[in-house]
Amino acid sequence: DAGITQSPRYKITETGRQVTLMCHQTWSHSYMFWYRQDLGHGLRLIYYSAAADITDKGEVPDGYVVSRSKTENFPLTLESATRSQTSVYFCASRDRPSPLHFGNGTRLTVT
Amino acid sequence: QKEVEQDPGPLSVPEGAIVSLNCTYSNSAFQYFMWYRQYSRKGPELLMYTYSSGNKEDGRFTAQVDKSSKYISLFIRDSQPSDSATYLCAMSARTNAGKSTFGDGTTLTVKP
Repeated sequence: DAGITQSPRYKITETGRQVTLMCHQTWSHSYMFWYRQDLGHGLRLIYYSAAADITDKGEVPDGYVVSRSKTENFPLTLESATRSQTSVYFCASRDRPSPLHFGNGTRLTVT
Repeated sequence: QKEVEQDPGPLSVPEGAIVSLNCTYSNSAFQYFMWYRQYSRKGPELLMYTYSSGNKEDGRFTAQVDKSSKYISLFIRDSQPSDSATYLCAMSARTNAGKSTFGDGTTLTVKP
């Protein structure tokens, strides 16, 4: 299917564990983004990438790591999950000047 | 203070009503303005996309941008229960690496 796919859709993990959220897009968009969405904070940018092997921090990058070895994939890793990282995570992509296209999110719970 | 402030809602209207959703912003470099609709447990989907000031109409939806007042609006005419969702405004500048800044969202319920 064309579009942007996130996996898993739901994940429960324990504090201190490493977790990787996957994002795959089929449009060959240059830019990819990771946002988290929390009540009272809206969508906040974690990391973004302008192209393969180019990544940069967003508004809330602490505790997260990203990589982009291929244009179509942009995984987000929580190195040592904390309860404050319980959230809904959205991956998005775009080609400038087009607007963002979002995946359906990963709902992560850290216990 | 946030760069983008969105009327928080929630908003509840009867079917057929005209709905007005609003955002203000402080960054004069913003040139691209978007409205996204987000249904429960789904990702935001693009509803309207405008560049600079002016109006844009698409069916029952009209987006307005007033750059002089740093104010954008989304109007929904003849609202339907299927319009019940959270609406997010978003903005970006030409020279900001493609990043968008979002409002916190307004939740709309249209009652049949």
